[in-house]
This record gives sequence, C-alpha cells and structure tokens, in this order.
Amino acid sequence: KAGVTQTPRYLIKTRGQQVTLSCSPISGHRSVSWYQQTPGQGLQFLFEYFSETQRNKGNFPGRFSGRQFSNSRSEMNVSTLELGDSALYLCASSASRGGGTEAFFGQGTRLTVV
Amino acid sequence: GESVGLHLPTLSVQEGDNSIINCAYSNSASDYFIWYKQESGKGPQFIIDIRSNMDKRQGQRVTVLLNKTVKHLSLQIAATQPGDSAVYLCGAAGNKLTFGGGTRVLVKP
Repeated sequence: KAGVTQTPRYLIKTRGQQVTLSCSPISGHRSVSWYQQTPGQGLQFLFEYFSETQRNKGNFPGRFSGRQFSNSRSEMNVSTLELGDSALYLCASSASRGGGTEAFFGQGTRLTVV
Repeated sequence: GESVGLHLPTLSVQEGDNSIINCAYSNSASDYFIWYKQESGKGPQFIIDIRSNMDKRQGQRVTVLLNKTVKHLSLQIAATQPGDSAVYLCGAAGNKLTFGGGTRVLVKP
C-alpha cells in the first residue's frame, strides 16, 4: 500500500508569510503527528491529530497550527514565518493514537525561510 | 515532561564490527521505546521497538535492550554494513511519540 505522502517536498518562503503543508497518511491510519526537525533541536513534536481532533500538542507557539480532514489527511500551517522556522517538517501516520509503535514517516517538507 | 537523549552524537565503526547506540530517557510512563533509522534526505524508518515490560528484543541483525532501572535504551547492530550508515533516533511512546537528538553512525570500509 502507498506510504505517507507529504507535499510539497521543498518550499522557500519569505519572513512574515504563511505556509501550509500537507500530509496524506497510509490508508486506514487515523493518527497523524507532525514534527519539526532541525540540526540544533533534533526531532521535536508539534501536534497529533486523531479522528479530526487534536489530541496532543508540543511546545510550539500559536503560529503553528494544524487540522485533519475526514479522510485523515492533515495540514499544518505556520503563520508569520520567522527565519528560525526553517526546518524539515515531517509527518508520521499511525493506526493508533499517540503514534505508538510503527509510526510511518513521510519524506518531509524542507521549508526554507529567507 | 518527556525527554529522550543520546550519549554519543557520532559513532564510527568498522565494517563487519558490531555497533552499539545508546539512549537515555526520563519518562518512566512510556509504553514503548522505538528505534528509527534516518538516511540523508529521507524520513525516519522504523527499525524495532520494545514494550516497557520487556528488557530485550531481537530483530534481523538488531537487538534492543531496555534497562528501566537506569532508564537506558540501546540498539545493537551486528556485523555493521555500509548501508547502516545513517542517523539513528530513539523514541519514547506514551500519549505521544517523542525523540532524542540522534546518533550518526559512520561505517568505515
């Protein structure tokens, strides 16, 4: 079956702009978690959506938000972009809440803020 | 809150030798501990997991050891191959999945 699909793969934005990233989970998976990966901070948890509801949230400012649709596809949005938001954004899909064992990751969206 | 950390940022190992990657965690409430492999330009790929009520689990060429007394997790890779060169991430799963900073493994021919 198809894996986790993230679009776009690469993105360049200017400070102050906003961006929307998309994640299509594995068919049948209802949990989508988002992570930010940077060289300095590693892989940091942003939030998790399960059955269209945010179930958990990491320690990120309110500029980072997300949503999940009835088909389990998820989007995350970052408003008022800052240079420090440059990172690889990964989503992981899982059959169960909390990510749990065998969360499957997409290839990520590389966001560069200039 | 939960935190997962790694002892060594980079591990160089000779091809054919065994590799040991270590990880410390702080939250005893985690249900699972998981190892991922991340190659350059790719998302993390699941390797093996271990339930919190176990202390050892073996997979193909990999073994994960869990020491709950000292809150320590390790991944052993037998007969390391060039294709094992990657960043290895340890994760702790409870109500959410959190990760440590990663260890880069470099396999020398």
